Amino acid sequence: TQLLEQSPQFLSIQEGENLTVYCNSSSVFSSLQWYRQEPGEGPVLLVTVVTGGEVKKLKRLTFQFGDARKDSSLHITAAQPGDTGLYLCAGAESNYQLIWGAGTKLIIKP
Amino acid sequence: DTGVSQNPRHKITKRGQNVTFRCDPISEHNRLYWYRQTLGQGPEFLTYFQNEAQLEKSRLLSDRFSAERPKGSFSTLEIQRTEQGDSAMYLCASSLVSPGRTEAFFGQGTRLTVV
Repeated sequence: TQLLEQSPQFLSIQEGENLTVYCNSSSVFSSLQWYRQEPGEGPVLLVTVVTGGEVKKLKRLTFQFGDARKDSSLHITAAQPGDTGLYLCAGAESNYQLIWGAGTKLIIKP
Repeated sequence: DTGVSQNPRHKITKRGQNVTFRCDPISEHNRLYWYRQTLGQGPEFLTYFQNEAQLEKSRLLSDRFSAERPKGSFSTLEIQRTEQGDSAMYLCASSLVSPGRTEAFFGQGTRLTVV
């Protein structure tokens, strides 16, 4: 069974700071997705990375897929309170099934 | 609104009662997933359908849980003889699976509380 480990599990920082969260596995995924979830709502897709070494930017968010397609990182620059949420990564297996991490709970304090 | 729709949003039931949730996926999506999520955790896979066929069920899914997708469109998840441990958010997601595409789009979930 493939596992995705996310770290840290919890992060609380001040507005304006930078942060990076990680998603790691010992297995290779065909693609990896990042989602953000707010309390009481379903996860919302942020980005999909497919190619090893790929970097995608979404405003202040930068996503990177590891060269070996086993890990990924999400970097947020100048975090804002609106970035608060649970950040989830999900890796796609060859049969298109998604394997989920447990998430990083991020709190940005004003 | 053409997103994934789940009903009801909230359900409070007494232990031992049966409950049924409904999910309407995005219309052209061929896959439909059910997940369970407890506070602060990632989604826990329950089952998924490819069109109307149920292709996989989690080993964690007890025989009190059953899901259907009769015409390959909407799906229902039924929990019989509910237990307090069933209290959780039940999420439905759909996707249009094809080479290079695996993104799942989620509904807002059904929050179940068993008292």
